[in-house]
Amino acid sequence: NAGVTQTPKFRILKIGQSMTLQCTQDMNHNYMYWYRQDPGMGLKLIYYSVGAGITDKGEVPNGYNVSRSTTEDFPLRLELAAPSQTSVYFCASTTGKGQPQHFGDGTRLSIL
Amino acid sequence: GQNIDQPTEMTATEGAIVQINCTYQTSGFNGLFWYQQHAGEAPTFLSYNVLDGLEEKGRFSSFLSRSKGYSYLLLKELQMKDSASYLCAPSGNTGFQKLVFGTGTRLLVSP
Repeated sequence: NAGVTQTPKFRILKIGQSMTLQCTQDMNHNYMYWYRQDPGMGLKLIYYSVGAGITDKGEVPNGYNVSRSTTEDFPLRLELAAPSQTSVYFCASTTGKGQPQHFGDGTRLSIL
Repeated sequence: GQNIDQPTEMTATEGAIVQINCTYQTSGFNGLFWYQQHAGEAPTFLSYNVLDGLEEKGRFSSFLSRSKGYSYLLLKELQMKDSASYLCAPSGNTGFQKLVFGTGTRLLVSP
């Protein structure tokens, strides 16, 4: 059972480039989340999804987009990378209220 | 608004007991999660409290007072591997479990 899988693990981008961070889970969880974590800071919610076809903004959605075409996949898109988006990105999933979120190993993204 | 307050850093000795406090103010409340995060790794689930009182799980216990907006994580018989950040995360009263994470408490356990 793989759980939550994120790719890539590391990436360096140039300012203005675009990329997609991949997240897939094999636990049939309806709820999925994208967080970013800056050094010494807590996790900030970027976007979340309550099921296939349904997404919504979290605390810090500017500069990002998401889609949820299947239950398993929840990719995060950066269209025009900016240095402020240098961070560690975590994807998580859960079955719902009262249940723990399971996290992927993270993607470490640097934008130079 | 949402506000979570935890100490930034704590130190303790191997074999000792440490209590990590968390106070919170959230718009709506369902319960509170504690996660452990080792440096460079993903958070992992430790405990969940929805009712007032103490939940014990091996060396770790977690306490919640809903009326006071207060929780603590108690770690007993500390081991070196307990050196990590501990994240307090209250859950709002919506169905999709929107968590608000504190900045975490970095615990350093020394021999």
